[in-house]
Amino acid sequence: EIVMTQSPATLSVSPGERATLSCRASQSVSSNLAWYQQKPGQAPRLLIYGASTRATGIPARFSGSGSGTEFTLTISSLQSEDFAVYYCQQYNNWLLFGQGTRLEIK
Amino acid sequence: EVQLVESGGGLVQPGRSLRLSCAASGFTFDDYAMHWVRQAPGKGLEWVSGISWNSGSIGYADSVKGRFTISRDNAKNSLYLQMNSLRAEDTALYYCAKGPTGRVMRAFDIWGQGTMVTVSS
Repeated sequence: EIVMTQSPATLSVSPGERATLSCRASQSVSSNLAWYQQKPGQAPRLLIYGASTRATGIPARFSGSGSGTEFTLTISSLQSEDFAVYYCQQYNNWLLFGQGTRLEIK
Repeated sequence: EVQLVESGGGLVQPGRSLRLSCAASGFTFDDYAMHWVRQAPGKGLEWVSGISWNSGSIGYADSVKGRFTISRDNAKNSLYLQMNSLRAEDTALYYCAKGPTGRVMRAFDIWGQGTMVTVSS
């Protein structure tokens, strides 16, 4: 059984700075990994799929990297609208989400 | 406009049943896999179940296996989740989500706004 672990649980960053979020799989998921953003009271939104491909309409400041078991979501220059909860999801062996990282304003 | 609208949630007693529906519009429904994802109050996302475009591939989370049944009616552009033997831990906002292809194991590119299910006596 695959376990997805996101770190840190909460990340405090100032607007304009870079944010780096991590996601680790307990076994290889190849590049079958997605990232989602969820704001309070809203449904999640797909940001990245295939570990590094931006979904339609997603700004270039969002980037994903990694393969196998280690993945990273980087937001290059934080905007006010980027403060939210971020989830990774593997879809290599059925589907499973990580527990989420809350990105908050420092 | 691509849209998913869930319905059927509500308050139900433990051990009873409930059927959720998801009405799809704005895209060719029978080309795409569909899923149910839930979120307990204040908690993270949990994939519940998924179904391929032709219902040939179906999967469930261990937490609902044997109790929940996913189905779709491509003629009605609708997705369903039959939930039996409900437990308090099934209390959550249930989202309908669309895959980008007909295969189940893909990310979700479109989400509905969810329907709330509360299991309590």
